[in-house]
Amino acid sequence: DAKTTQPNSMESNEEEPVHLPCNHSTISGTDYIHWYRQLPSQGPEYVIHGLTSNVNNRMASLAIAEDRKSSTLILHRATLRDAAVYYCIRGGYSGAGSYQLTFGKGTKLSVIP
Amino acid sequence: NAGVMQNPRHLVRRRGQEARLRCSPMKGHSHVYWYRQLPEEGLKFMVYLQKENIIDESGMPKERFSAEFPKEGPSILRIQQVVRGDSAAYFCASSRATAHTGELFFGEGSRLTVL
Repeated sequence: DAKTTQPNSMESNEEEPVHLPCNHSTISGTDYIHWYRQLPSQGPEYVIHGLTSNVNNRMASLAIAEDRKSSTLILHRATLRDAAVYYCIRGGYSGAGSYQLTFGKGTKLSVIP
Repeated sequence: NAGVMQNPRHLVRRRGQEARLRCSPMKGHSHVYWYRQLPEEGLKFMVYLQKENIIDESGMPKERFSAEFPKEGPSILRIQQVVRGDSAAYFCASSRATAHTGELFFGEGSRLTVL
């Protein structure tokens, strides 16, 4: 159970901003929202994570809704190197009691030159 | 600072053989996670270890699979008597802190093919 809902795919033009949506309506108060991306034949790469407030780093911005049931990853200016599968992950505690990240199928982002 | 190193990158085994996958975490990282990714799927958590201890193996099949992270040396994911359904990419990640608030650093994966 990935616990998040994302579009299967999205397209963006190069040098345009990209908004990748994610729904996590059953999120609990202590679960963080994590974003990772995966390029073909590579391991996932950390993008950003947050709890309640919007977050910014050198790669992206994360806008979290006030009710925390959805969030949006914002790439300010898409480049060809941003073409990847983007995973929105709601962290949570496993049956064994440790905090884990559960990956869904993600959103495949294509960047058009 | 070298990233997470996994080897072998590609491994071919026949049904019934054993597969051993190795993961050297980043320097200073004591938390190691193993994930499995089937074609066109997301990553599935398998096991979480800290030095010499298995913290959470709730995602790992009860039979044929085992993992260790010894005091010295890499973490090892061992699959005994492999079957075709074990064909997948196996990713290792490491972190300095728990996954709750920290960044996981992933290796490039080991791709197991079972003939």
